[in-house]
Amino acid sequence: DAGVTQSPTHLIKTRGQQVTLRCSPKSGHDTVSWYQQALGQGPQFIFQYYEEEERQRGNFPDRFSGHQFPNYSSELNVNALLLGDSALYLCASSLVGTSGWKDTQYFGPGTRLTVL
Amino acid sequence: QKEVEQNSGPLSVPEGAIASLNCTYSDRGSQSFFWYRQYSGKSPELIMFIYSNGDKEDGRFTAQLNKASQYVSLLIRDSQPSDSATYLCAVSPSNDMRFGAGTRLTVKP
Repeated sequence: DAGVTQSPTHLIKTRGQQVTLRCSPKSGHDTVSWYQQALGQGPQFIFQYYEEEERQRGNFPDRFSGHQFPNYSSELNVNALLLGDSALYLCASSLVGTSGWKDTQYFGPGTRLTVL
Repeated sequence: QKEVEQNSGPLSVPEGAIASLNCTYSDRGSQSFFWYRQYSGKSPELIMFIYSNGDKEDGRFTAQLNKASQYVSLLIRDSQPSDSATYLCAVSPSNDMRFGAGTRLTVKP
């Protein structure tokens, strides 16, 4: 049973560029959440997708956008990159059920983004 | 005031001892609470979740929740060197999840 996968593993971009990160959820999961983790900090919630819709959004600017596909996979897009966007971007998948999504959340290995 | 606060550590305990990790949160509307473990260079892994006041035990781990004091803790009994990691407390007041910065735990053989 494949877990959550993310691509690419590492990425280097320059300021002002745009980036797309990809995530495939764990088999059987239908919800994808994206997080940003700066060095020495905990993950910060960016947004969550369920049924191809953005269901909840954290305190991130509109430069951060996403998409969920019918097969539940997801993309995170960041436009006009800033130096401060350098971080580990984590995708987490979960299953919306009677108990909610939170206690079934599995994280992927992350994408390390460096903005120069 | 941060939404979720943890002592950054490092917390060092000898092998076999009890490690006690603490977390306070600011949003009284929070309903669910989580502990994640994150090894260096790896992604977070869910250890336990707790929704009701009191204790919840799972193997060597016990989560304790006191909503009146806005406090949640994690006890690790019989600590092993393999428990050395950063422990993240997460709180969910609505449909998102808010993490603390984590406490780094070192278990010395």
